Amino acid sequence: AQSVTQPDIHITVSEGASLELRCNYSYGATPYLFWYVQSPGQGLQLLLKYFSGDTLVQGIKGFEAEFKRSQSSFNLRKPSVHWSDAAEYFCAVGPSNTGTASKLTFGTGTRLQVTL
Amino acid sequence: GAGVSQSPSNKVTEKGKDVELRCDPISGHTALYWYRQSLGQGLEFLIYFQGNSAPDKSGLPSDRFSAERTGGSVSTLTIQRTQQEDSAVYLCASRSLAEETQYFGPGTRLLVL
Repeated sequence: AQSVTQPDIHITVSEGASLELRCNYSYGATPYLFWYVQSPGQGLQLLLKYFSGDTLVQGIKGFEAEFKRSQSSFNLRKPSVHWSDAAEYFCAVGPSNTGTASKLTFGTGTRLQVTL
Repeated sequence: GAGVSQSPSNKVTEKGKDVELRCDPISGHTALYWYRQSLGQGLEFLIYFQGNSAPDKSGLPSDRFSAERTGGSVSTLTIQRTQQEDSAVYLCASRSLAEETQYFGPGTRLLVL
């Protein structure tokens, strides 16, 4: 069964500092990988996704993520965090073969706090 | 364009009562999903609809939970005889066949007293 691990429940960074949120997955083949962000009281917004090709993917709001097959990781990064980035971040994995339900398996999330 | 909408945004009910949660997917999206987000549990898949195919109900936690999708568009998630452990945020997502990305609604926050 597929699974996603986000080892950091809570991270605090200073505004302007760099950020890396960790995500490790377990899946039998190369999956589709996603990062979503959830602000308080809001739904999930897609930040970026990886399906194939270039292992470094760019997303919205200055975020990027790198797929590393050898480490089964898909870590999210941002070079300079803004106070508005404070939110909860979810990594998710979905099956890559077409014709399936594509239901996503989510990690438990990492809550990001940004100090001024 | 309009995104996924859900109603109500908040629902408070008493234990034992039935509740209905509604999801309006993005127009033209044929796939629709329900997820539950419980405190400390993350997001868990509940049910999936794709066109006229039989829904994938593998994530429903008990037979008190059911969902339907009328006319291939609007979906209703029904929880019968609610229990306190049903308290959670229920999220709906939709997807077009042309891509693998699911787009989420704002969720319905359910509190069972």
